[in-house]
Amino acid sequence: DADVTQTPRNRITKTGKRIMLECSQTKGHDRMYWYRQDPGLGLRLIYYSFDVKDINKGEISDGYSVSRQAQAKFSLSLESAIPNQTALYFCATSDLIRGSGQETQYFGPGTRLLVL
Amino acid sequence: DAKTTQPNSMESNEEEPVHLPCNHSTISGTDYIHWYRQLPSQGPEYVIHGLTSNVNNRMASLAIAEDRKSSTLILHRATLRDAAVYYCILSPKGVTNFGNEKLTFGTGTRLTIIP
Repeated sequence: DADVTQTPRNRITKTGKRIMLECSQTKGHDRMYWYRQDPGLGLRLIYYSFDVKDINKGEISDGYSVSRQAQAKFSLSLESAIPNQTALYFCATSDLIRGSGQETQYFGPGTRLLVL
Repeated sequence: DAKTTQPNSMESNEEEPVHLPCNHSTISGTDYIHWYRQLPSQGPEYVIHGLTSNVNNRMASLAIAEDRKSSTLILHRATLRDAAVYYCILSPKGVTNFGNEKLTFGTGTRLTIIP
């Protein structure tokens, strides 16, 4: 079974609709992240959470909100979807690399979202 | 934040070594160098990281220039499964000692393996 799962894998919605993308992890990590990927722009960070009570905005948080329901679950919501939010969305968790003070991030398979 | 520069694309023959370059001329003394790759239709996956010394693991080797202004990811014997986008990322060491709260992914290098 995958360590980081995302649902749904594909979603088509209409402008103005509220949608939620869900992420679950079985790795036991405290830190979780949401990214979006657009062609030619690489991955951009939307929100990140260091634990259940800690939520932080990334570089492109406008138009998005998140909820950390438990250590294992981190949801991303689009309150009123717009076409330029059409993208590939990735959830990730991270773990400390021993001896370096650095982290490794583990990504889910992604959710492909189309906003009409 | 220090930035990285990578070629947009590279090609290599199967079963030959591949050297993927990354320039980071504004790197600070405490920035670590990370490499991730993204296989088609998948999320990125960690490959390797280092600070000053060259590093090896089961996936690849990382060669870091003495002045740290550039680095090279080395795949010793490329296979078709290595076709992916490779990202070179700088990660500062933060006050929490966790460092890379925010990994900044650029557009990476798209590696094509020729059979």
